[in-house]
Amino acid sequence: ETGVTQSPTHLIKTRGQQVTLRCSSQSGHNTVSWYQQALGQGPQFIFQYYREEENGRGNFPPRFSGLQFPNYSSELNVNALELDDSALYLCASSQSRDRAYGYTFGSGTRLTVV
Amino acid sequence: AQSVTQLDSQVPVFEEAPVELRCNYSSSVSVYLFWYVQYPNQGLQLLLKYLSGSTLVESINGFEAEFNKSQTSFHLRKPSVHISDTAEYFCAVRPLSGNTPLVFGKGTRLSVIA
Repeated sequence: ETGVTQSPTHLIKTRGQQVTLRCSSQSGHNTVSWYQQALGQGPQFIFQYYREEENGRGNFPPRFSGLQFPNYSSELNVNALELDDSALYLCASSQSRDRAYGYTFGSGTRLTVV
Repeated sequence: AQSVTQLDSQVPVFEEAPVELRCNYSSSVSVYLFWYVQYPNQGLQLLLKYLSGSTLVESINGFEAEFNKSQTSFHLRKPSVHISDTAEYFCAVRPLSGNTPLVFGKGTRLSVIA
């Protein structure tokens, strides 16, 4: 059973650029969630996808967008990068039928905006 | 809406001493409760969870947490810590139903001193 894998592990971008982060869900999981973890903070919910549709969103602007593919892998896109977007971005997958299961997290992508 | 408060941002403790990491939550609905651990430069790993039944739950590496409904708390304890327990610990909640995702506290950094 494979876990959640994210790529790339590290990324440096310039303010104003666009970035795409990728996530491969754990086998058997049909829901993927993305979190932003700023330095010294807890993870903040960005959005969640179920069966290729967004079904939950946190307090993040529209320049944060995502996709979920038929194989349940996912992308997080951020446009017009700002310095405050520098953070660890975590992808988590889960099985929607079992809310008690919790999430399986990837190791994250550390994004630095300069 | 749900919120989680971790009362201590940093907890230093000597090796083989006991430790308690405190977590309080607020929610208008019933929730599942989780503790996650994050080792340096890694993602989050599920440590233990409370779903129902016995209010005391245990992990395989000696941690335990007790759910106290009247005090809305879910404190994490270990009777004797090891150097390898040095990490960031996050308390999280998730409602029993609906699309609401995991909501995290800001984390507690446990530093075990030799």
